[in-house]
Amino acid sequence: GAGVSQTPSNKVTEKGKYVELRCDPISGHTALYWYRQSLGQGPEFLIYFQGTGAADDSGLPNDRFFAVRPEGSVSTLKIQRTERGDSAVYLCASSLTQSTDTQYFGPGTRLTVL
Amino acid sequence: GIQVEQSPPDLILQEGANSTLRCNFSDSVNNLQWFHQNPWGQLINLFYIPSGTKQNGRLSATTVATERYSLLYISSSQTTDSGVYFCAGDLYNNNDMRFGAGTRLTVKP
Repeated sequence: GAGVSQTPSNKVTEKGKYVELRCDPISGHTALYWYRQSLGQGPEFLIYFQGTGAADDSGLPNDRFFAVRPEGSVSTLKIQRTERGDSAVYLCASSLTQSTDTQYFGPGTRLTVL
Repeated sequence: GIQVEQSPPDLILQEGANSTLRCNFSDSVNNLQWFHQNPWGQLINLFYIPSGTKQNGRLSATTVATERYSLLYISSSQTTDSGVYFCAGDLYNNNDMRFGAGTRLTVKP
């Protein structure tokens, strides 16, 4: 596709469950970012991939959060033992090489933990 | 980490009016960018502007890196300009982009 896509668009889960959120970046973009946005706030950086490797995962809030990008394209954000405080919109962005390039955002996945 | 402050937090304009949005950083930043989040939540990059001035139609942006601020100008505002405007930058090219809390703009017809 022409832009960044994310699936699912909405995810409702129960406290304690495991969830996976998927991001398809723009074809040819080597840099991929995950952000989390809570209501009324700006996006909060979680993790940055350059190719297949996580170049910077300093934004992941704790070890329940993990992300992979095994083939340098699609990425999956994984959240174990979800908590109500994990409820937010999870945004994915990609750029051609790194943050010196324009970042293109996907539509986000709205996660609700009941 | 760096702190990003945006002002004003909320702005209501009549269609056709001009406005200036400001972004202040607590430390030197790199890769400063401005984004618009429309009412449906989609974030669109407006400018990549680490320094200097750029213009794109009715929008322009100026960053004075030495004084740690950036300005976004909107001229002849339209209702479609409504949404939240964010600035973001990173420290020492570490790819950890820090966003401000945004300016929520409402343009009334």
